[in-house]
Amino acid sequence: DQQVKQNSPSLSVQEGRISILNCDYTNSMFDYFLWYKKYPAEGPTFLISISSIKDKNEDGRFTVFLNKSAKHLSLHIVPSQPGDSAVYFCAASAQGGSEKLVFGKGTKLTVNP
Amino acid sequence: DTAVSQTPKYLVTQMGNDKSIKCEQNLGHDTMYWYKQDSKKFLKIMFSYNNKELIINETVPNRFSPKSPDKAHLNLHINSLELGDSAVYFCASSHALKRGSPLHFGNGTRLTVT
Repeated sequence: DQQVKQNSPSLSVQEGRISILNCDYTNSMFDYFLWYKKYPAEGPTFLISISSIKDKNEDGRFTVFLNKSAKHLSLHIVPSQPGDSAVYFCAASAQGGSEKLVFGKGTKLTVNP
Repeated sequence: DTAVSQTPKYLVTQMGNDKSIKCEQNLGHDTMYWYKQDSKKFLKIMFSYNNKELIINETVPNRFSPKSPDKAHLNLHINSLELGDSAVYFCASSHALKRGSPLHFGNGTRLTVT
Protein backbone atom coordinates (compact mmCIF):
# COMPACT_ATOMS: atom_id res chain seq x y z
CA ASP A 1 0.00 0.00 0.00
CA GLN A 2 1.84 3.03 -1.29
CA GLN A 3 0.88 6.05 0.78
CA VAL A 4 3.22 8.31 -1.20
CA LYS A 5 3.25 7.91 -4.94
CA GLN A 6 5.54 9.33 -7.57
CA ASN A 7 4.01 8.04 -10.75
CA SER A 8 6.70 9.27 -13.11
CA PRO A 9 9.84 7.18 -12.77
CA SER A 10 11.77 9.58 -14.99
CA LEU A 11 11.69 13.08 -16.42
CA SER A 12 13.93 14.72 -19.00
CA VAL A 13 14.12 18.50 -19.52
CA GLN A 14 16.35 20.96 -21.29
CA GLU A 15 18.72 23.18 -19.37
CA GLY A 16 17.11 26.49 -18.51
CA ARG A 17 13.56 25.15 -18.69
CA ILE A 18 11.25 24.32 -15.81
CA SER A 19 11.26 20.87 -14.19
CA ILE A 20 8.03 19.81 -12.50
CA LEU A 21 8.10 16.72 -10.31
CA ASN A 22 4.82 15.42 -8.96
CA CYS A 23 3.82 13.49 -5.87
CA ASP A 24 0.47 12.18 -4.64
CA TYR A 25 -0.40 10.90 -1.20
CA THR A 26 -3.29 8.96 0.24
CA ASN A 27 -2.98 9.45 4.00
CA SER A 28 -4.96 12.53 5.06
CA MET A 29 -3.07 12.54 8.36
CA PHE A 30 0.15 13.63 6.64
CA ASP A 31 0.93 17.18 7.68
CA TYR A 32 4.55 17.67 6.67
CA PHE A 33 6.12 17.05 3.28
CA LEU A 34 9.70 17.05 2.12
CA TRP A 35 11.67 16.65 -1.07
CA TYR A 36 15.03 14.93 -1.10
CA LYS A 37 17.58 14.77 -3.88
CA LYS A 38 19.84 11.77 -4.36
CA TYR A 39 22.93 11.37 -6.49
CA PRO A 40 24.28 7.88 -7.32
CA ALA A 41 26.23 6.22 -4.51
CA GLU A 42 25.24 8.97 -2.07
CA GLY A 43 22.54 9.31 0.53
CA PRO A 44 19.45 11.47 -0.03
CA THR A 45 19.96 15.13 0.83
CA PHE A 46 17.21 17.40 2.05
CA LEU A 47 16.03 19.93 -0.50
CA ILE A 48 12.88 21.69 0.65
CA SER A 49 9.87 21.08 2.85
CA ILE A 50 6.36 22.36 3.37
CA SER A 51 3.91 22.19 6.23
CA SER A 52 0.25 21.47 5.60
CA ILE A 53 -0.65 24.95 6.85
CA LYS A 54 0.97 26.41 3.74
CA ASP A 55 0.36 25.88 0.06
CA LYS A 56 3.68 27.12 -1.24
CA ASN A 57 7.26 27.28 -0.09
CA GLU A 58 10.11 28.73 -2.10
CA ASP A 59 13.87 28.44 -1.76
CA GLY A 60 15.88 29.91 -4.60
CA ARG A 61 15.22 27.95 -7.76
CA PHE A 62 13.09 25.41 -5.90
CA THR A 63 9.41 25.83 -5.09
CA VAL A 64 7.11 23.25 -3.58
CA PHE A 65 3.34 23.53 -4.01
CA LEU A 66 0.84 21.69 -1.86
CA ASN A 67 -2.78 21.04 -2.82
CA LYS A 68 -4.33 19.41 0.22
CA SER A 69 -7.74 18.87 -1.30
CA ALA A 70 -6.16 16.92 -4.15
CA LYS A 71 -3.55 15.32 -1.87
CA HIS A 72 -0.95 16.41 -4.34
CA LEU A 73 2.34 18.23 -4.17
CA SER A 74 4.80 19.26 -6.78
CA LEU A 75 8.38 20.49 -6.92
CA HIS A 76 9.26 23.14 -9.47
CA ILE A 77 12.86 23.80 -10.43
CA VAL A 78 13.43 26.97 -12.42
CA PRO A 79 15.71 27.27 -14.28
CA SER A 80 16.85 23.66 -14.45
CA GLN A 81 20.58 23.03 -14.51
CA PRO A 82 22.56 19.90 -15.47
CA GLY A 83 23.69 19.60 -11.85
CA ASP A 84 20.05 19.08 -10.90
CA SER A 85 20.15 15.67 -12.60
CA ALA A 86 19.41 13.24 -9.76
CA VAL A 87 16.66 11.12 -8.27
CA TYR A 88 14.09 13.18 -6.37
CA PHE A 89 12.16 11.60 -3.52
CA CYS A 90 8.95 12.94 -2.10
CA ALA A 91 8.38 12.13 1.58
CA ALA A 92 5.59 12.73 4.07
CA SER A 93 5.07 12.57 7.79
CA ALA A 94 1.98 12.51 9.99
CA GLN A 95 3.71 14.01 13.00
CA GLY A 96 5.01 17.32 11.70
CA GLY A 97 8.58 16.17 11.80
CA SER A 98 11.02 13.61 10.53
CA GLU A 99 9.79 10.68 12.52
CA LYS A 100 8.58 7.82 10.42
CA LEU A 101 8.87 9.53 7.06
CA VAL A 102 7.12 7.69 4.26
CA PHE A 103 8.96 7.97 0.94
CA GLY A 104 7.85 7.67 -2.65
CA LYS A 105 9.83 5.60 -5.16
CA GLY A 106 11.54 8.61 -6.62
CA THR A 107 11.67 10.32 -10.01
CA LYS A 108 14.90 10.40 -11.95
CA LEU A 109 15.41 13.87 -13.41
CA THR A 110 17.79 14.36 -16.30
CA VAL A 111 18.61 17.92 -17.33
CA ASN A 112 20.16 18.01 -20.76
CA PRO A 113 22.68 20.74 -21.63
CA ASP B 1 34.02 16.15 8.62
CA THR B 2 31.23 14.00 7.20
CA ALA B 3 27.98 14.64 9.08
CA VAL B 4 26.56 11.09 8.99
CA SER B 5 29.07 8.39 8.20
CA GLN B 6 28.42 4.70 7.88
CA THR B 7 30.76 1.80 7.28
CA PRO B 8 31.33 -0.26 5.30
CA LYS B 9 30.14 1.22 2.02
CA TYR B 10 29.92 -2.21 0.40
CA LEU B 11 29.36 -5.55 2.09
CA VAL B 12 29.30 -8.85 0.24
CA THR B 13 28.66 -11.95 2.29
CA GLN B 14 27.16 -15.40 2.14
CA MET B 15 23.83 -16.60 3.40
CA GLY B 16 23.82 -17.54 7.03
CA ASN B 17 26.59 -15.16 8.06
CA ASP B 18 26.30 -12.43 10.69
CA LYS B 19 27.36 -8.90 9.81
CA SER B 20 27.29 -5.41 11.28
CA ILE B 21 26.99 -1.92 9.82
CA LYS B 22 28.20 1.03 11.85
CA CYS B 23 26.87 4.59 11.83
CA GLU B 24 28.06 7.76 13.48
CA GLN B 25 26.79 11.34 13.32
CA ASN B 26 28.57 14.49 14.42
CA LEU B 27 25.61 16.84 14.04
CA GLY B 28 24.58 16.73 17.67
CA HIS B 29 21.22 15.23 16.71
CA ASP B 30 19.19 13.34 19.29
CA THR B 31 17.57 10.81 16.98
CA MET B 32 19.04 8.27 14.61
CA TYR B 33 17.43 5.95 12.10
CA TRP B 34 18.00 2.98 9.86
CA TYR B 35 16.27 2.94 6.49
CA LYS B 36 16.29 0.17 3.91
CA GLN B 37 16.10 0.77 0.16
CA ASP B 38 15.06 -2.44 -1.52
CA SER B 39 15.24 -3.54 -5.14
CA LYS B 40 12.04 -1.65 -5.89
CA LYS B 41 13.76 1.55 -4.73
CA PHE B 42 11.43 2.19 -1.81
CA LEU B 43 13.08 3.78 1.21
CA LYS B 44 11.46 2.30 4.29
CA ILE B 45 12.16 2.99 7.92
CA MET B 46 13.35 0.09 10.01
CA PHE B 47 14.31 1.56 13.37
CA SER B 48 14.58 4.86 15.16
CA TYR B 49 16.43 5.68 18.37
CA ASN B 50 16.02 8.84 20.41
CA ASN B 51 18.76 9.43 22.98
CA LYS B 52 19.70 5.75 22.88
CA GLU B 53 16.12 4.56 23.34
CA LEU B 54 14.25 2.62 20.69
CA ILE B 55 11.19 4.60 19.60
CA ILE B 56 10.31 3.09 16.23
CA ASN B 57 10.56 -0.58 15.36
CA GLU B 58 8.82 -1.40 12.14
CA THR B 59 8.00 -4.92 11.07
CA VAL B 60 11.56 -6.10 10.80
CA PRO B 61 12.72 -9.70 11.41
CA ASN B 62 14.29 -10.38 14.79
CA ARG B 63 17.52 -11.16 12.95
CA PHE B 64 18.01 -7.40 12.74
CA SER B 65 19.18 -5.86 15.99
CA PRO B 66 20.06 -2.19 16.31
CA LYS B 67 22.39 -1.01 19.04
CA SER B 68 22.88 2.57 20.17
CA PRO B 69 25.81 2.91 22.60
CA ASP B 70 25.32 6.69 22.70
CA LYS B 71 23.21 9.21 20.84
CA ALA B 72 25.94 9.74 18.21
CA HIS B 73 26.11 6.10 17.19
CA LEU B 74 23.60 3.59 15.88
CA ASN B 75 24.84 0.24 14.66
CA LEU B 76 22.89 -2.46 12.87
CA HIS B 77 23.67 -6.12 13.41
CA ILE B 78 22.13 -8.74 11.17
CA ASN B 79 22.15 -12.42 12.05
CA SER B 80 21.73 -15.37 9.70
CA LEU B 81 21.72 -13.27 6.56
CA GLU B 82 19.25 -14.21 3.82
CA LEU B 83 19.18 -13.45 0.11
CA GLY B 84 16.26 -11.08 0.65
CA ASP B 85 18.37 -8.92 2.94
CA SER B 86 20.28 -7.66 -0.08
CA ALA B 87 19.57 -3.94 -0.24
CA VAL B 88 21.07 -0.55 0.46
CA TYR B 89 20.88 0.41 4.12
CA PHE B 90 20.90 4.09 5.02
CA CYS B 91 21.59 5.57 8.40
CA ALA B 92 20.11 8.98 9.17
CA SER B 93 19.81 11.46 12.00
CA SER B 94 17.65 14.42 12.97
CA HIS B 95 16.56 16.69 15.79
CA ALA B 96 13.33 14.83 16.42
CA LEU B 97 12.12 17.33 18.97
CA LYS B 98 12.70 20.26 16.64
CA ARG B 99 9.58 20.48 14.52
CA GLY B 100 10.39 20.39 10.85
CA SER B 101 13.95 19.16 11.31
CA PRO B 102 14.83 17.14 8.21
CA LEU B 103 16.69 13.85 8.13
CA HIS B 104 20.37 13.83 7.30
CA PHE B 105 21.40 10.62 5.59
CA GLY B 106 24.67 8.76 5.33
CA ASN B 107 25.86 7.52 1.96
CA GLY B 108 24.48 4.04 2.41
CA THR B 109 25.83 0.52 2.74
CA ARG B 110 25.14 -1.77 -0.19
CA LEU B 111 24.68 -5.26 1.24
CA THR B 112 24.82 -8.19 -1.15
CA VAL B 113 24.01 -11.63 0.17
CA THR B 114 25.06 -14.53 -2.07
